[in-house]
Amino acid sequence: QVQLVQSGAEVKRPGASVRLSCMASGYPFSSYYIHWVRQAPGQGLECMGVINPVGGGTTYAQRFQGRLTLSRDTTTSTVYMDLSNLRSDDTAVYFCARVARGSYYADFDFWGQGTLVTVSS
Amino acid sequence: ETVMTQSPATLSVSPGERATLSCRASQSVNSKAAWYQQKPGQAPRLLIYGASTRATGIPARFSGSESGTEFTLTISSLQSEDFAVYYCQQYNQWPFTFGPGTKVQIK
Repeated sequence: QVQLVQSGAEVKRPGASVRLSCMASGYPFSSYYIHWVRQAPGQGLECMGVINPVGGGTTYAQRFQGRLTLSRDTTTSTVYMDLSNLRSDDTAVYFCARVARGSYYADFDFWGQGTLVTVSS
Repeated sequence: ETVMTQSPATLSVSPGERATLSCRASQSVNSKAAWYQQKPGQAPRLLIYGASTRATGIPARFSGSESGTEFTLTISSLQSEDFAVYYCQQYNQWPFTFGPGTKVQIK
């Protein structure tokens, strides 16, 4: 069965960086784009960026340009999210999500369990 | 950026009743709209894609429709497990955007 398993919770100081991972299984890793979506406490969902596991091409939302880097390791079917220069308003649950049907413009059919990142001095 | 708005913010419904949730896109999304259900402490779950197609394993009491830039999610007879927050999403234009959500609570 399709699974996206994310790394554990992180606590970071303002100005630090964080790396989260998302390990995929149960399907051909290279056939599906992966997005990162975040959700601040009590708030809605926000798309941050997307990676194509074939070739590693990325697209980022403008507000994260310069701070966000997505990468992947095809040997372990893992996608990584690096977010730098953390601020208190980066405190959120971060989800990875698979794009459905092998398409770029599609819904998200499977999600990771989420990783809480807390930014606090 | 395509802005998605949802109404109402909160919907109070009794079990067994019908719930109707609305979502509006600020521009055409070419039917590339989805609905998700999220319960506390859980990841969102895909319910509807392509504005009206039920995702795999989703009960028939959930249905989606569209009229231009207006999208509707209908839950025909609310079950106890349906009380949750529902989000609409457009995936026609990057960045893909979500509405602010509708919380369906027990009346």
